[in-house]
Amino acid sequence: TQLLEQSPQFLSIQEGENLTVYCNSSSVFSSLQWYRQEPGEGPVLLVTVVTGGEVKKLKRLTFQFGDARKDSSLHITAAQPGDTGLYLCAGGPLSGNTPLVFGKGTRLSVIA
Amino acid sequence: SQTIHQWPATLVQPVGSPLSLECTVEGTSNPNLYWYRQAAGRGLQLLFYSVGIGQISSEVPQNLSASRPQDRQFILSSKKLLLSDSGFYLCAWSRGVGGFQNSPLHFGNGTRLTVT
Repeated sequence: TQLLEQSPQFLSIQEGENLTVYCNSSSVFSSLQWYRQEPGEGPVLLVTVVTGGEVKKLKRLTFQFGDARKDSSLHITAAQPGDTGLYLCAGGPLSGNTPLVFGKGTRLSVIA
Repeated sequence: SQTIHQWPATLVQPVGSPLSLECTVEGTSNPNLYWYRQAAGRGLQLLFYSVGIGQISSEVPQNLSASRPQDRQFILSSKKLLLSDSGFYLCAWSRGVGGFQNSPLHFGNGTRLTVT
């Protein structure tokens, strides 16, 4: 069974600070997706990374896929209250025959 | 464009009562469909997924069942609810071609179920 561990589970920071959240596994994934979920809503896809070492930027968010495709990180620069939410990573199994594997998420709170 | 509708948004049901949650997708054909449950704002637990009409895969044995009577309709049911069935239920779809691994999930807005 492939598992994804996300850390930290909870993070509370002041507006303007930088932060990094992590998504780790002992298994290799074909791709890694990051989602953000706001209270009372479904998760929304932020980005998909598919190549080992790949870096993608989405405004103040930087996503990296590990060289071995076993881990990923999300770095937020100058966090804003609008970044508050639950960040979920999801890995695509190599076989492609089973659904995505989700981590348990990092709950981020950015205080103004 | 594709849209996903899930209802109701909120539901309060007594223990032992039946359940039916419905999800429909528009604007795409042959999608993969999913039911997830989320407890206390944490991770997603995959309950069921379907790659086609009448094809249901169950991930976790439990008090729930799923059906896909039409290509873009997915239903989550229970004959008798338990207290432990309370939670936030999310329906999602992804493209049905190219395997699961790189296809993003598109979620509905969820149903908050409280079993009393």
